[in-house]
Amino acid sequence: DSGVTQTPKHLITATGQRVTLRCSPRSGDLSVYWYQQSLDQGLQFLIQYYNGEERAKGNILERFSAQQFPDLHSELNLSSLELGDSALYFCASSVGLAGSTDTQYFGPGTRLTVL
Amino acid sequence: LAKTTQPISMDSYEGQEVNITCSHNNIATNDYITWYQQFPSQGPRFIIQGYKTKVTNEVASLFIPADRKSSTLSLPRVSLSDTAVYYCLVGAGNAGNNRKLIWGLGTSLGVNP
Repeated sequence: DSGVTQTPKHLITATGQRVTLRCSPRSGDLSVYWYQQSLDQGLQFLIQYYNGEERAKGNILERFSAQQFPDLHSELNLSSLELGDSALYFCASSVGLAGSTDTQYFGPGTRLTVL
Repeated sequence: LAKTTQPISMDSYEGQEVNITCSHNNIATNDYITWYQQFPSQGPRFIIQGYKTKVTNEVASLFIPADRKSSTLSLPRVSLSDTAVYYCLVGAGNAGNNRKLIWGLGTSLGVNP
C-alpha cells in the first residue's frame, strides 16, 4: 500500500459525458501528479500540482482539467469524453517539488471506460 | 526535452542477471535517471535513481556512463515475481515551471522458470 488513494476504482460512462477522478496523496506529500495509461501509449504524464499550484504540464488535453485543494487532495476533471479517453488514470504523490529526484508513490488507479 | 528509448521486451530465466538499457541522448545537465517497476493494473513502483556512475540498493543496480547518454538497470538473480514492465524516467532535478516528466514506453520483462 503506497498510501495514495484514488476513487473511484472503476468508472463506466458514455461519450460526451463529464467525470471527476479524485486522489488523496500520502500524508506529508505536497506534490500530486496525474498520468494516463492506455494500452497503446504507455504512461503519459498529464499534470503536476504542488501545494495547490500547477507546476508542470504534460500532454493534457484542453477537455481535461485538474486542481489541488487546500487539504492537498486533487481532482482530475474529464469532459466531453471520447472513446479514446478510455484508460487507466493514475495519481502519484511526492514530498517535494523536484519531480524527478523525489520518489513518486502511485495510487491504485481509476479505470475509465467510455462507451 | 530528454526522450528515452528502451527495448520493448526481454525474456530471461529464473536465477539469471538481467540488464535493461535505456538511451537518453538528449539528457540535460540537471536531469536524474529513475527506474520504476509496474505490475499489471497497478501503479508503478520506484526501484532506483541515479545521476552518474553506479548506484546500488537491495533490489537493483544502476550503471550510468560518463556521458550519461544511457543507463543500465541490472536485476541480479531474477525470479518469476520480477515479471513486470520497467520504465526509465528522465526529468529535471530542479524546481521550476514546465518541467516534463518523460516516461519511456517501458520494457516488458518476462521471467521463465
